[in-house]
Amino acid sequence: EAGVAQSPRYKIIEKRQSVAFWCNPISGHATLYWYQQILGQGPKLLIQFQNNGVVDDSQLPKDRFSAERLKGVDSTLKIQPAKLEDSAVYLCASSLRGLQSEQFFGPGTRLTVL
Amino acid sequence: GESVGLHLPTLSVQEGDNSIINCAYSNSASDYFIWYKQESGKGPQFIIDIRSNMDKRQGQRVTVLLNKTVKHLSLQIAATQPGDSAVYFCAESPDNNDMRFGAGTRLTVKP
Repeated sequence: EAGVAQSPRYKIIEKRQSVAFWCNPISGHATLYWYQQILGQGPKLLIQFQNNGVVDDSQLPKDRFSAERLKGVDSTLKIQPAKLEDSAVYLCASSLRGLQSEQFFGPGTRLTVL
Repeated sequence: GESVGLHLPTLSVQEGDNSIINCAYSNSASDYFIWYKQESGKGPQFIIDIRSNMDKRQGQRVTVLLNKTVKHLSLQIAATQPGDSAVYFCAESPDNNDMRFGAGTRLTVKP
């Protein structure tokens, strides 16, 4: 079974630029999550999708972050404009039965904002 | 031990010994707890989970203990192997919309 795919693996941008990350979850997983993991910290849940609808985005900084999951499969997370403090690994995960069950994580995208 | 949101502690054990990683959680409403292992450059990998109606759950070489009275969670790894070296995260969840991860504990296994 293929795992969660993410691209790109690494991205370096300057502050105030925009960036987008892509995620393809495990086939059949209705729930998809985006996390932000700052170096030395645990992942922080940003947004949760059930199929193509947003379940919860209370931790997403909506003035600069946006996410979508068109057609209920792939998802993109965008940052515009980026700030220095956005430097982190952005993890995508998916699960069969919602947040309170095993989540399968992708390898993440490491973002560096200069 | 680890508290959700604080610095990253470390644990060093000898190969073959048992490891115990601790986690203090903060939300008394949390009813679901989970442990993940994260190796360098990879995403977290599920180890074991437990719901609040249980005190103990066992998996292959791992046991999770939950003490709701003192809001404490621990992960025990039996016969620790070099491949167990990683950062271990606990996470707590009060409902299906919220999950909070701790800062993690770095486990190093010495051969």
